[in-house]
Amino acid sequence: AQKVTQAQTEISVVEKEDVTLDCVYETRDTTYYLFWYKQPPSGELVFLIRRNSFDEQNEISGRYSWNFQKSTSSFNFTITASQVVDSAVYFCALSEEKAAGNKLTFGGGTRVLVKP
Amino acid sequence: NAGVTQTPKFQVLKTGQSMTLQCAQDMNHEYMSWYRQDPGMGLRLIHYSVGAGITDQGEVPNGYNVSRSTTEDFPLRLLSAAPSQTSVYFCASRNNRGRHYEQYFGPGTRLTVT
Repeated sequence: AQKVTQAQTEISVVEKEDVTLDCVYETRDTTYYLFWYKQPPSGELVFLIRRNSFDEQNEISGRYSWNFQKSTSSFNFTITASQVVDSAVYFCALSEEKAAGNKLTFGGGTRVLVKP
Repeated sequence: NAGVTQTPKFQVLKTGQSMTLQCAQDMNHEYMSWYRQDPGMGLRLIHYSVGAGITDQGEVPNGYNVSRSTTEDFPLRLLSAAPSQTSVYFCASRNNRGRHYEQYFGPGTRLTVT
C-alpha cells in the first residue's frame, strides 16, 4: 500500500531563511510519481512539481528546489530565501503506476509560516 | 478557461439532510475526482471518473454518490449528511495525456454538518 509521511507538521522561519520540507514515501511499485502541492491561506491547491520514479535528477525552479532520493524514499522540498508569500501548507503526494483510479495519496501536510 | 469550478463555497447542513456539491471543468479533461480534506490527514479520494458514464469508488466512498453524464460535470451527492462528513471537499481533473500527470483542483467547498 502506498503511504506518504510528512513528519514536520509546522515550520516557522524568518523571512530570507531557507526552509526544507521532508517527504518520505512507501510503495511496492517500481513505477510511481511524486508531487508537491501548495495550499495558501486562501485554500486552493496549487500544483508545484511532478517527478517520476525513473528520474532522480534534482530540479530547481526559481527559489524552489527538490531533492529526490530513491535510496532513502525521500522527495524533499527546499524554499531558498523564504518570503512571506511562501506561508502555506505544503503537501507531498504519491501515485503508483498500478493504483486504481490514478489515486493520489497525500501526506498530512507541513504548515510553513514565514515571519517578516 | 475557468479551470475547475465548485459550488457552493460554504454549506451548513443538519444531520440527515441531503445535498449535491457541484463540480465543473472546461478543460475537456476526461478524468475527474473528488477528495475530502481533514486536519492532519491530507486529502483522501472519495470517488473518481475516467470519462462520461464511468465512475468508481475511491478510498472513502461511504455516504457519497456520484454520476458523470457529461465530460464537464461531476457532482457529488450526500444522501443523508452526518457530522463525520464535515470537511473540505475538493474536485480535481486531469488532462488526457497520461494517467499520472498532475491533477488540477477546484477552490473547494467547506461543508459543516451539525
